[in-house]
Amino acid sequence: DGGITQSPKYLFRKEGQNVTLSCEQNLNHDAMYWYRQDPGQGLRLIYYSQIVNDFQKGDIAEGYSVSREKKESFPLTVTSAQKNPTAFYLCASRGTSGRAKSYNEQFFGPGTRLTVL
Amino acid sequence: GQQLNQSPQSMFIQEGEDVSMNCTSSSIFNTWLWYKQEPGEGPVLLIALYKAGELTSNGRLTAQFGITRKDSFLNISASIPSDVGIYFCAGQVYYTGNQFYFGTGTSLTVIP
Repeated sequence: DGGITQSPKYLFRKEGQNVTLSCEQNLNHDAMYWYRQDPGQGLRLIYYSQIVNDFQKGDIAEGYSVSREKKESFPLTVTSAQKNPTAFYLCASRGTSGRAKSYNEQFFGPGTRLTVL
Repeated sequence: GQQLNQSPQSMFIQEGEDVSMNCTSSSIFNTWLWYKQEPGEGPVLLIALYKAGELTSNGRLTAQFGITRKDSFLNISASIPSDVGIYFCAGQVYYTGNQFYFGTGTSLTVIP
């Protein structure tokens, strides 16, 4: 089945530790995104990548880092510099095929809930 | 970053009733997307809209791309208990580097 996978589903971290969240897609999408979701708020963009080896900061990139070494993978590292990392993290991808419609449709993974103890 | 105004924030309805919700923006969008999210899960894409005035259906769901390009509407007809969840709108503007902007969500509760 084609889709987006995120692992782990639940993650616990001690203060001061870095942690990496995995995101893999087999949809052959060029663009990938990381969002943070907090209760009562809309999704906020952390980082996005439109092509391998390239990525841009979103609205709340401070305390986060990403890499895009492969088309299928876009891992997010939550560093100790992130002041309030407890949240639900969502990875997404967007198609960039020749069909205009799939170019604009963004699909999400199941999410990772990170809790800092 | 921009956030879209989505209303109502929450709805409590009886099974069988119709539901309407909307999103508005201060910017013109080229694409509107509607998602449903259940607790602890990622959003699932319901409907995508690509031009002003477009009306698109997906089963009991119907969404419209506003004529001004600054709003969109989602209707659910004859609601059932499995419609429960949070519904999000998202808009995209090409010149912003293909970023998507999201509404704060409408929480729907269906009472059997």
